[in-house]
Amino acid sequence: DQQVKQNSPSLSVQEGRISILNCDYTNSMFDYFLWYKKYPAEGPTFLISISSIKDKNEDGRFTVFLNKSAKHLSLHIVPSQPGDSAVYFCAATAAGNTGKLIFGQGTTLQVKP
Amino acid sequence: DAGITQSPRHKVTETGTPVTLRCHQTENHRYMYWYRQDPGHGLRLIHYSYGVKDTDKGEVSDGYSVSRSKTEDFLLTLESATSSQTSVYFCAISGVVRAGSYEQYFGPGTRLTVT
Repeated sequence: DQQVKQNSPSLSVQEGRISILNCDYTNSMFDYFLWYKKYPAEGPTFLISISSIKDKNEDGRFTVFLNKSAKHLSLHIVPSQPGDSAVYFCAATAAGNTGKLIFGQGTTLQVKP
Repeated sequence: DAGITQSPRHKVTETGTPVTLRCHQTENHRYMYWYRQDPGHGLRLIHYSYGVKDTDKGEVSDGYSVSRSKTEDFLLTLESATSSQTSVYFCAISGVVRAGSYEQYFGPGTRLTVT
């Protein structure tokens, strides 16, 4: 069973607009969430994270929102740039889990100039 | 960038042969992980290590074994490769695992094709 789900395989937005990537999870024990960005032929790179004690974390153009009651998180990119075109993975972990991450399937973002 | 290398970067092998992938880090991080990436599945944890000679299974460990004899090296072995193990394999490292700090840093990946 997929404990972390990204139900949109792809997303296309215009440069300068907002990109919103969504992620749902089922395990209520998850207490830390991360977003990774991946370019072709490269390893994933850490983007931003959020603890379950918060509902928002911001870093420059990237903001992650967490809705614990809905078991839903989202990544907002504002403004979107062509260089943001990549695959985005959300991941989750639970305290005491030796850091094991459970990843979603990924969403491919295309930002058009 | 975290100092993580993977070797080989590409490999083609035949069904039934053993294969070993190497992950090498220069960060002296305690935790190391092996993932595989497949379309529709994201990244799935194969095995991980929480110290020299300390390893444990992940969610898709069948057909794989690991070893960690030194802090800097984490080896993944496919004992008898099958076509279902055709995938891209990523190694990741993490220095600490505690509340508020679970970030892992990934290597460049190894593309393995089993024919």
